[in-house]
Amino acid sequence: DIQMTQSPSSLSASVGDRVTITCRASQGISNYLAWFQQRPGKAPKSLIYAASSLQSGVPPKFSGSGSGTDFTLTISSLQPEDFATYFCQQYNTFPRTFGQGTKVEIK
Amino acid sequence: QVQLQESGPGLVKPSQTLSLTCTVSGGSISSGGYYWSWVRQHPGKGLEWIGYIYNSGFAYYNPSLKSRVTISGDTSKNQFSLKLRSVTAADTAVYYCARDSVGQWEVPFDYWGQGTLVTVSS
Repeated sequence: DIQMTQSPSSLSASVGDRVTITCRASQGISNYLAWFQQRPGKAPKSLIYAASSLQSGVPPKFSGSGSGTDFTLTISSLQPEDFATYFCQQYNTFPRTFGQGTKVEIK
Repeated sequence: QVQLQESGPGLVKPSQTLSLTCTVSGGSISSGGYYWSWVRQHPGKGLEWIGYIYNSGFAYYNPSLKSRVTISGDTSKNQFSLKLRSVTAADTAVYYCARDSVGQWEVPFDYWGQGTLVTVSS
């Protein structure tokens, strides 16, 4: 299985801050990397696919980059609704695997 | 707009079989192009992919659960189901059904059910 490792596991930030989350795959996955946002008690929501393509309806303050094994998700200008947990996921091979999540909390 | 809805018992006894159904609206599970999938999330933890059914007939499972899992489809009701046998407390989780894409140029896991908590306890 491909292991997905996110860092940090959690972070504290203020409204208006820019934050970056990283995701590393245990082997190369080309650009078959997706990012999801999950609010408490809710299902994950698709944000980005193909490492850097924005899902329809997602605001452009979310951006992704990377290829191979190293990827980043950046959220510019955090708003209250952005405080949530973010997961990366590889879809290069089966079984699909997810990162352990990064919880973005209010400072 | 595709919608998925999980249903099934919220409490299952140890050693018994967990059974859940996902009802799909706004899309057909037999149309091809998508893997109709199950994902679970242990309390306060990350996401674990369980498996999928494709074109209502072909199923593929996570090797870690393969010996205990069956995913099947009912095209007449546009539903797909999960059965997990011989459950233990470690199977307590929120179970999601979701749509994954066959084509890697497509969006993976673009639609999810709201999730259902299944607790394994006597």
